[in-house]
Amino acid sequence: DTEVTQTPKHLVMGMTNKKSLKCEQHMGHRAMYWYKQKAKKPPELMFVYSYEKLSINESVPSRFSPECPNSSLLNLHLHALQPEDSALYLCASSQGLQETQYFGPGTRLLVL
Amino acid sequence: AQSVTQPDIHITVSEGASLELRCNYSYGATPYLFWYVQSPGQGLQLLLKYFSGDTLVQGIKGFEAEFKRSQSSFNLRKPSVHWSDAAEYFCAVGAQSGYSTLTFGKGTMLLVSP
Repeated sequence: DTEVTQTPKHLVMGMTNKKSLKCEQHMGHRAMYWYKQKAKKPPELMFVYSYEKLSINESVPSRFSPECPNSSLLNLHLHALQPEDSALYLCASSQGLQETQYFGPGTRLLVL
Repeated sequence: AQSVTQPDIHITVSEGASLELRCNYSYGATPYLFWYVQSPGQGLQLLLKYFSGDTLVQGIKGFEAEFKRSQSSFNLRKPSVHWSDAAEYFCAVGAQSGYSTLTFGKGTMLLVSP
């Protein structure tokens, strides 16, 4: 089983709202990732967690706040987003940092 | 730094015809290479990967890819395209060591005509 699940599937939020995206995997993977994907572009890496610790932060604005409460869960907390943050947010996981990444279906975010 | 070039933004293929999507990479050592497919509004699905060994790699849905070190290429092929293959295809390169993650190409959109 190589399934990564993400909730919600769609999210609409105002610029003053606080919301969270959730990602879950039960493959025993120890690395988890957040990507942002704009239309007709490849995914852009945002954050990498390895063994529940933040390993890479690709200079993402502080209005995005990741959290890894345990080895199976990855959250992305959103606060005071801008309309340009509207995108597909993808979660992925892998056995280790140099291993194959498996992606979830994504959360389509619209910021009004 | 590693990089990936997918020279074709769009490709249109007739249903039943063969397909080849091009991918060239730049990396200082032997890379990990991947092909992912993405249907509209969906996540990325792994088609196949190359880590080492046999340079012709078989994947899901009848796809295969060949690693050619001399040409720094990892082209994706399918002998007979189905209408359901219409999607965006991303080639990606990863490092075998060090603190590095995936680098994606810009993608190739495959259109399938009847």
